Amino acid sequence: GAVVSQHPSRVICKSGTSVKIECRSLDFQATTMFWYRQFPKQSLMLMATSNEGSKATYEQGVEKDKFLINHASLTLSTLTVTSAHPEDSSFYICSARDLSLGAGQPQHFGDGTRLSIL
Amino acid sequence: AQSVTQLDSQVPVFEEAPVELRCNYSSSVSVYLFWYVQYPNQGLQLLLKYLSGSTLVKGINGFEAEFNKSQTSFHLRKPSVHISDTAEYFCAVSDRGTSYGKLTFGQGTILTVHP
Repeated sequence: GAVVSQHPSRVICKSGTSVKIECRSLDFQATTMFWYRQFPKQSLMLMATSNEGSKATYEQGVEKDKFLINHASLTLSTLTVTSAHPEDSSFYICSARDLSLGAGQPQHFGDGTRLSIL
Repeated sequence: AQSVTQLDSQVPVFEEAPVELRCNYSSSVSVYLFWYVQYPNQGLQLLLKYLSGSTLVKGINGFEAEFNKSQTSFHLRKPSVHISDTAEYFCAVSDRGTSYGKLTFGQGTILTVHP
């Protein structure tokens, strides 16, 4: 089945550092990728939708200058948390979808990145 | 806009017992329906989906779900659970009319299977 690889799985860094998270679709072309944030014991909150070759669409309340998304190819999207602070600590999950298979195709999720800002 | 309500935040059951995880949704348009499972510190894995056709859909790991349009429900069931089914389960919907397939998730149900 479709596989999405997310890297790194865990990051611990100092406040003020910028952190890049990669999301790759391994066996399909992901025309659309999604980035989610999950707080402890809560559901997933969609942060942004990215389409290959165009700017990401951010959800209301998500700072686009804080969370930079680049979907440079059909198999790779990156999320950069710029100048991270402790309140940015969270579990970040990406997902990818192959629109060429038609409507209703499910999103395939990466294993998530646990970000801890000290 | 859509919303998804998972009626139980936690469901404890004994091994080999049946289980039902409830999901209701609200939407002004037709939707696709999904159930995902999340194990600790991992992403989400698709259990099953309803796109069209038969309202009873079968998924992986012995799970099944039934779409009830009149009750706007999509409850997940398994006739006999295993310890390994302990995880968090998310119901989700996406709008049929948009091409991007943005998902709206429920709050999740933690299933704990006891020996």
